[in-house]
Amino acid sequence: DAGVIQSPRHEVTEMGQEVTLRCKPISGHDYLFWYRQTMMRGLELLIYFNNNVPIDDSGMPEDRFSAKMPNASFSTLKIQPSEPRDSAVYFCASSFGGAYRYGYTFGSGTRLTVV
Amino acid sequence: ILNVEQSPQSLHVQEGDSTNFTCSFPSSNFYALHWYRWETAKSPEALFVMTLNGDEKKKGRISATLNTKEGYSYLYIKGSQPEDSATYLCAFRPNAGNMLTFGGGTRLMVKP
Repeated sequence: DAGVIQSPRHEVTEMGQEVTLRCKPISGHDYLFWYRQTMMRGLELLIYFNNNVPIDDSGMPEDRFSAKMPNASFSTLKIQPSEPRDSAVYFCASSFGGAYRYGYTFGSGTRLTVV
Repeated sequence: ILNVEQSPQSLHVQEGDSTNFTCSFPSSNFYALHWYRWETAKSPEALFVMTLNGDEKKKGRISATLNTKEGYSYLYIKGSQPEDSATYLCAFRPNAGNMLTFGGGTRLMVKP
């Protein structure tokens, strides 16, 4: 398996534009997580899915953020409109079951810069 | 908000030194404690998943212990090598839900 695949690796966009981040989890994993990493707050959970269903989105900062998982092999995180304070590295991670033995597998992240 | 604290924030050691750092987490509603190793410009990689009080896990020169009653875990590195330089993250999973709350990490730098 190629691991968790995120795209793009880097995104630079202007304030007010829509940004879509993409994630392909490991085949067979039934949980998918979106995390955001900033200097101030470290790694914080935004939302997670189980079997494609959103379970907890309490970490989503505000209505400008939305996430979908239309099938077991694809998820998107959308920011519309984007703001400079959204600049961060966004990680997607997946796990099988409760991650009892192997923990989460993280993607390489998308570094978002909003100017 | 779950409080997961790691100390120290950063650590500089010489090659060959042994070192350890601490993760503290809520002692109630404990389900699991994870440790991850995060090298610069890469993504976090799982080291250990610990679930039982008194658990000890080992992978090569790295080992970890767990005390769920008092809410702490230690990560030990024996004979540090420059390639051990990374940020070490712990993450707490409570009983409810399959989600991890991460600590701020300990950044380890090993000088040759």
